[in-house]
Amino acid sequence: EVHLVESGGGLVQPGGSLRLSCAASGFPFSTYVMTWVRQAPGKGLEWVSSITGSGDYTYYADSVKGRFTVSRDNSKNTLYLQMNSLRAEDTAIYYCEVKGDTSDNSYLDSWGHGTLVTVSS
Amino acid sequence: QSVLTQPPSASGTPGQRVSIPCSGSSSNIGSNYVFWYQHLPGMAPKLLIYRHTQRPSGVPDRFSGSKSDTSASLAISGLRSEDEADYYCASWDDSLSGWVFGGGTKLTVL
Repeated sequence: EVHLVESGGGLVQPGGSLRLSCAASGFPFSTYVMTWVRQAPGKGLEWVSSITGSGDYTYYADSVKGRFTVSRDNSKNTLYLQMNSLRAEDTAIYYCEVKGDTSDNSYLDSWGHGTLVTVSS
Repeated sequence: QSVLTQPPSASGTPGQRVSIPCSGSSSNIGSNYVFWYQHLPGMAPKLLIYRHTQRPSGVPDRFSGSKSDTSASLAISGLRSEDEADYYCASWDDSLSGWVFGGGTKLTVL
């Protein structure tokens, strides 16, 4: 069974940093693109960042480009999001997601339950 | 302002069929696959439709997706009370080199 478990959220002051983690199990982690999506209070889903299976390519929303860095450790089946220069508008629940074709011609999509990041003084 | 446009709300009665539209452009829906998610409060989002029309295993066939040019639509037939949730469309955008979501549609089952 596929499991994604986020951690690392919490309360941080504006300008501060946090590193989120997403521990994955139940699928061949290194072969899948991984994605971070967030939901601010009362708002909709917003894509934050994606990283290819090998980690060679990364993609960022304009709202976080230059402040957030996505990475992965395939030996630990773990996805990371380093968040620097945090702003109040970064306050949100952060989810990690995996989706893609499987070897048995089905389709995998799974989300963690999210970790809350609150940026406030 | 979301890149993909959805109505903020939709409603229907049990057993009815409802459709949720999603409007985009040539750089997203017009040239890339559309995905649909269901999001219940306090829960993780759930994929309902991938690649415009495909359902992951376990998703009831009451849910269907369609796409035409730069627009897509999610249809839910035989509406049930448990379908009350927020629904989001998403697609890759070639101009932005990133995923874009619709603003979400809150479905109410009357």
